[in-house]
Amino acid sequence: DAGVIQSPRHEVTEMGQEVTLRCKPISGHNSLFWYRQTMMRGLELLIYFNNNVPIDDSGMPEDRFSAKMPNASFSTLKIQPSEPRDSAVYFCASLLAGVTDTQYFGPGTRLTVL
Amino acid sequence: AQTVTQSQPEMSVQEAETVTLSCTYDTSESDYYLFWYKQPPSRQMILVIRQEAYKQQNATENRFSVNFQKAAKSFSLKISDSQLGDAAMYFCAYRSAPFQGAQKLVFGQGTRLTINP
Repeated sequence: DAGVIQSPRHEVTEMGQEVTLRCKPISGHNSLFWYRQTMMRGLELLIYFNNNVPIDDSGMPEDRFSAKMPNASFSTLKIQPSEPRDSAVYFCASLLAGVTDTQYFGPGTRLTVL
Repeated sequence: AQTVTQSQPEMSVQEAETVTLSCTYDTSESDYYLFWYKQPPSRQMILVIRQEAYKQQNATENRFSVNFQKAAKSFSLKISDSQLGDAAMYFCAYRSAPFQGAQKLVFGQGTRLTINP
């Protein structure tokens, strides 16, 4: 079975541009998580969905960040406008809530904002 | 809110030796899960081992085992017969049990493990 798929793997953009990160969870999983990893703050949750519904978005830094999950097999994380401090690795993870207790991670997207 | 602390930013061990990575956590919940994830230079987050808090028996996965001390809120990882491929960043993580709290993972700061040949 395919694991969690993220695209792009690397993104370099200029300050002020819109950035869209994409995630395809493991087929059949019903919970999806977006995490951000930086040297200063480590790994932190941005938002998570259960059955396509956002459950906890308290980690979303500010209004420049938005996330959607239009269906069970796709999610996006958008940053508009991007800033240099948004440079980080963004991970998507999925889980079959109520059945398994393990989150499986995608390979991450390394975002660099110049 | 739950917190996870890894007090060893870096560790090193000789190949074939045993090393123990420390992790402590703080929670008021009675049921939860604990995990160790490995992050090699490829940055992929790989599950190493998991422990359910209600289970007294320590989890074991091949060369990896944990020492789970619930009362002390301690969850250390032991790697036996260290191999060069074990070199990575290791993260300890906490997650509430279903229907008890937020399902997000709370991570420690990580321990960078170096294996010396």
